[in-house]
Amino acid sequence: NAGVTQTPKFRILKIGQSMTLQCTQDMNHNYMYWYRQDPGMGLKLIYYSVGAGITDKGEVPNGYNVSRSTTEDFPLRLELAAPSQTSVYFCASSGQGGSSYEQYFGPGTRLTVT
Amino acid sequence: KQEVTQIPAALSVPEGENLVLNCSFTDSAIYNLQWFRQDPGKGLTSLLLIQSSQREQTSGRLNASLDKSSGRSTLYIAASQPGDSATYLCAVRDTGRRALTFGSGTRLQVQP
Repeated sequence: NAGVTQTPKFRILKIGQSMTLQCTQDMNHNYMYWYRQDPGMGLKLIYYSVGAGITDKGEVPNGYNVSRSTTEDFPLRLELAAPSQTSVYFCASSGQGGSSYEQYFGPGTRLTVT
Repeated sequence: KQEVTQIPAALSVPEGENLVLNCSFTDSAIYNLQWFRQDPGKGLTSLLLIQSSQREQTSGRLNASLDKSSGRSTLYIAASQPGDSATYLCAVRDTGRRALTFGSGTRLQVQP
């Protein structure tokens, strides 16, 4: 059971470039989330999804886009990368209801924009 | 807007000590609270989840308590070990919201 996997682990982008961060979970969770973590800070929610075809904005959505075509995958797209998007990005998933809301995290993608 | 605060930001203790990490939140209308461990350069590992109707949860040497009315949670670590060195994050899920609001974490160093 792999849990939540993310690719790539590291990436350096030039200003203005675009990229997609991949996230896959094999726990059949309906809920999936993207967070970013800046140095010394807690995590902030970028986007989330409650099921295939349903996504919604979190606290810091500007500069990002998401899609959810399957239960397993929840890619995060960065368009026109900016230095302010230098961060560590975490994908998470959870079930629904009671203790099933416990969130499980991937290992993260460390992104640097220069 | 929910705000989560963790004090202290960093803590260093000798091996074998019992210790308490604190978490406070501003809005008591929470659905649950989750404690995580994060090792340097790694993802988050869930330690304990407490539902709003519960007062505490235990897992091995860890015990988390929740006082919703006062907006506080504590994570108690018994007989600390060097392997416990990590950053501990507290996060709350508000009633009616989908995702978690995180504190900035407490960085724990257990000296051998």
